[in-house]
Amino acid sequence: DIQMTQSPASLSASLGETVTIQCQASEDIYSGLAWYQQKPGKSPQLLIYGASSLQDGVPSRFSGSGSGTQYSLKISSMQTEDEGVYFCQQGLKYPLTFGSGTKLEIK
Amino acid sequence: QVNLQESGPGLVKPSQPLSVTCSVTGYSITTSYYYWNWIRKFPGNKLEWMGYISYDGSIYYNPSLKSRISITRDTSKNQFFLQLNTVTTEDTAVYYCARGLFNYGGYWFAYWGQGTLVTVSS
Repeated sequence: DIQMTQSPASLSASLGETVTIQCQASEDIYSGLAWYQQKPGKSPQLLIYGASSLQDGVPSRFSGSGSGTQYSLKISSMQTEDEGVYFCQQGLKYPLTFGSGTKLEIK
Repeated sequence: QVNLQESGPGLVKPSQPLSVTCSVTGYSITTSYYYWNWIRKFPGNKLEWMGYISYDGSIYYNPSLKSRISITRDTSKNQFFLQLNTVTTEDTAVYYCARGLFNYGGYWFAYWGQGTLVTVSS
């Protein structure tokens, strides 16, 4: 199975701050990576797919980048509604696997 | 707009089977080229993809569950089902159904149900 290592496990950011979350795959996943946001009591919401494509309806302050085994999610200006847990997911090989999550809070 | 809704037992005793239903509205589960998945989230945030049944009825299970899992469907009711046998307390989780699609070089989940908590306890 492809292991997804996500960092940091948690972070806090001020309003307007730029936030970056990292995800490392145990092998090359050729941009087969998605990012999700999950708020308490809600289901995960797809933000980014194909490493850098923005899902319809997702604010443009979210962006994804990376290649090979290293990927990142950037929030360019932290907003209150961005609090939640963020997960990466590799979509290249079965079984599909997720990162362990990053809890993002407002400072 | 596609909508997925899970329904489950809430509480299951150890060694018993766990069964969860996903009811889909707004989209037929037989329409190409979508895949209908089960994903669970354990206490502490770990997410595990369990498997899918596709638009054409093909099935794929996570090998870690292969001996215990069964995913089936009822196309007349536009529902699909998860059964997990011989559960233990480690199967306590929120169970989600989700629609998956393969594009842009990968497989993603754009639509999820709200999830149903299943607790395994005697």
